[in-house]
Amino acid sequence: GQQLNQSPQSMFIQEGEDVSMNCTSSSIFNTWLWYKQDPGEGPVLLIALYKAGELTSNGRLTAQFGITRKDSFLNISASIPSDVGIYFCAGRSGGSNYKLTFGKGTLLTVNP
Amino acid sequence: SAVISQKPSRDICQRGTSLTIQCQVDSQVTMMFWYRQQPGQSLTLIATANQGSEATYESGFVIDKFPISRPNLTFSTLTVSNMSPEDSSIYLCSVGLGLKGDTQYFGPGTRLTVL
Repeated sequence: GQQLNQSPQSMFIQEGEDVSMNCTSSSIFNTWLWYKQDPGEGPVLLIALYKAGELTSNGRLTAQFGITRKDSFLNISASIPSDVGIYFCAGRSGGSNYKLTFGKGTLLTVNP
Repeated sequence: SAVISQKPSRDICQRGTSLTIQCQVDSQVTMMFWYRQQPGQSLTLIATANQGSEATYESGFVIDKFPISRPNLTFSTLTVSNMSPEDSSIYLCSVGLGLKGDTQYFGPGTRLTVL
C-alpha cells in the first residue's frame, strides 16, 4: 500500500528558531494535509493543500504541495513553546477513495 | 470545520468485554471515519462509515471485531468487541468536509485501556 515517509522523527529547538519538516510518498497524492496533535487530544488540522505547487500559510506556518505531487513540507517560523507537539502529514490519493494515509509524525520540542 | 465530540473520553475495560464509542457532529456530514492510534504510533484507518451504506473496513479490521453503526448524518458508533490488551489505543472519529469532502477533521479521541 501507500507509504509516507515523514522526517525528521523528532526535533529539539530553541524558542525563536525556524522549523522545517517534510513528507515524501512513493505514489502521487491529490491532497496533502498537515495536523498537530497535543497529548491526550485529537489531531487538529493546520493546513490543507489541494494543488501541485500550492503554497499556503496559516500564521507562522507555511506548507507547500510539491510539484511532483509526491511530497510536501511544513515550515514553522519563530517557534514558541506552544508549538510543542506531534506534527503529522497525511495524503489522499484522490478519486472516490477518501482514505488518508498518515506519516509517522514529527515530535517537536521547543526549549524556552 | 465541524465540532466533533466523542464519548467516553477514556475508559478502562476488562479483557473479553466490549465498549461502544459514540461520535457526534454538530452538522450533517456524509463521510465519517474511524481511526485507531496505538501508543506512540500514527493513525490507522479502521473503516469508512457513510450514512446509508455498510461500513467499509480496511485490511486487518473486520466487522465482527469492530461493528459500526451510522444511523444518521450526525452520529456514528464504533464498538470494540471481545477486547484484549492489544486493543488498548486511542480511537478517533473524523468527518470529511470541503468541496470534495477530502478535508478531514478529528474528534478528541477515546483513550481505551484494556486490562
